Amino acid sequence: AQSVTQLGSHVSVSEGALVLLRCNYSSSVPPYLFWYVQYPNQGLQLLLKYTSAATLVKGINGFEAEFKKSETSFHLTKPSAHMSDAAEYFCAVSNFGNEKLTFGTGTRLTIIP
Amino acid sequence: NAGVTQTPKFQVLKTGQSMTLQCAQDMNHEYMSWYRQDPGMGLRLIHYSVGAGITDQGEVPNGYNVSRSTTEDFPLRLLSAAPSQTSVYFCASSSDSHYGYTFGSGTRLTVV
Repeated sequence: AQSVTQLGSHVSVSEGALVLLRCNYSSSVPPYLFWYVQYPNQGLQLLLKYTSAATLVKGINGFEAEFKKSETSFHLTKPSAHMSDAAEYFCAVSNFGNEKLTFGTGTRLTIIP
Repeated sequence: NAGVTQTPKFQVLKTGQSMTLQCAQDMNHEYMSWYRQDPGMGLRLIHYSVGAGITDQGEVPNGYNVSRSTTEDFPLRLLSAAPSQTSVYFCASSSDSHYGYTFGSGTRLTVV
């Protein structure tokens, strides 16, 4: 069985401040972990992924995430928020041999000017 | 343009009506999935397929049918629409579980 928990359904940060979106996973085997972003009235776009190579993963738009096995976490960060980062962010998990992608409930990020 | 194409983008149904949501991909992906998105619940898996002729149920399959006769197409059928099926539906495809999925732009369905 696999699952992800996203802490905080809504996060607000000031423009230029650090963005931190939290994701914890549960998986009985080594996981593949993903962050997706959804802008209003659009589909989901892959931000970054962890597939057992480097534990610090860099994605698009300046985002990065660190896989921490001891904490079963895969938190998403960005050093300096931009207005264009306002969107909903989803953490997701799958694993080798399991083609199903399981999503968290999402975190809506608001940027305060 | 390569990607996942969903039609229609919007649909209003009356309770009890049936319809098919279309999904096509031109990337020769083996894996395809259907999700529904509801506020506060994230994306929940309805049905998925690992190749032509092979489908299986996801988390919320009741009221939906799928078939996969070709690699490219993966239609989702609503047998008898209910207001609880009002949602945004996403189709996605992937060549392998560690690559992640490519998503279509969604179908917004309202059942009245």
